[in-house]
Amino acid sequence: DGGITQSPKYLFRKEGQNVTLSCEQNLNHDAMYWYRQDPGQGLRLIYYSQIVNDFQKGDIAEGYSVSREKKESFPLTVTSAQKNPTAFYLCASSVGTGTFGEQFFGPGTRLTVL
Amino acid sequence: KNQVEQSPQSLIILEGKNCTLQCNYTVSPFSNLRWYKQDTGRGPVSLTIMTFSENTKSNGRYTATLDADTKQSSLHITASQLSDSASYICVVPEASNSGYALNFGKGTSLLVTP
Repeated sequence: DGGITQSPKYLFRKEGQNVTLSCEQNLNHDAMYWYRQDPGQGLRLIYYSQIVNDFQKGDIAEGYSVSREKKESFPLTVTSAQKNPTAFYLCASSVGTGTFGEQFFGPGTRLTVL
Repeated sequence: KNQVEQSPQSLIILEGKNCTLQCNYTVSPFSNLRWYKQDTGRGPVSLTIMTFSENTKSNGRYTATLDADTKQSSLHITASQLSDSASYICVVPEASNSGYALNFGKGTSLLVTP
């Protein structure tokens, strides 16, 4: 999975709880991304970060928060405000954010709300 | 509106047979098109990136074609193997005010049976 690790692989959460998904990369990439994948749908962008201490909302940022304190790390918090959090979450990174920047994906975290 | 449409949605073929997956896009201006393979429960892995000037590109048993005039791409898999069972995702970047965004197709789910 190209030097990107995500943990945990499976995560169970009770309604009303916040949970944090980890994403670490050792590729020395500047840009990192979080996507959500639901059955039968394309990947949707939650948040992305082009440099340390900076991040931007994607298409479906409501109910999620992120931080980018280190180049290697881009954790995603799923808050209780996210009404339908059960999904497969994918982290990715790229050298830059230009259109030719290939994104490398992590193995994913499957979140299930009980 | 989804700017990347893939067909068929799912496909079942016998081991050893060939198959072709289709991707139509409306993204403009066009810079490149990417095909990813995603095994169940894993992150997508890049198969090929095609730029405007490329008509055909091969990666082992995978051959991608691009017709930028008709905005169509295909992924041809030769002599299929059981390990080819996966979802194949077509991705087309689009320039945006904040850099660029990736338009993901919903994928074609391929099952190769013995």
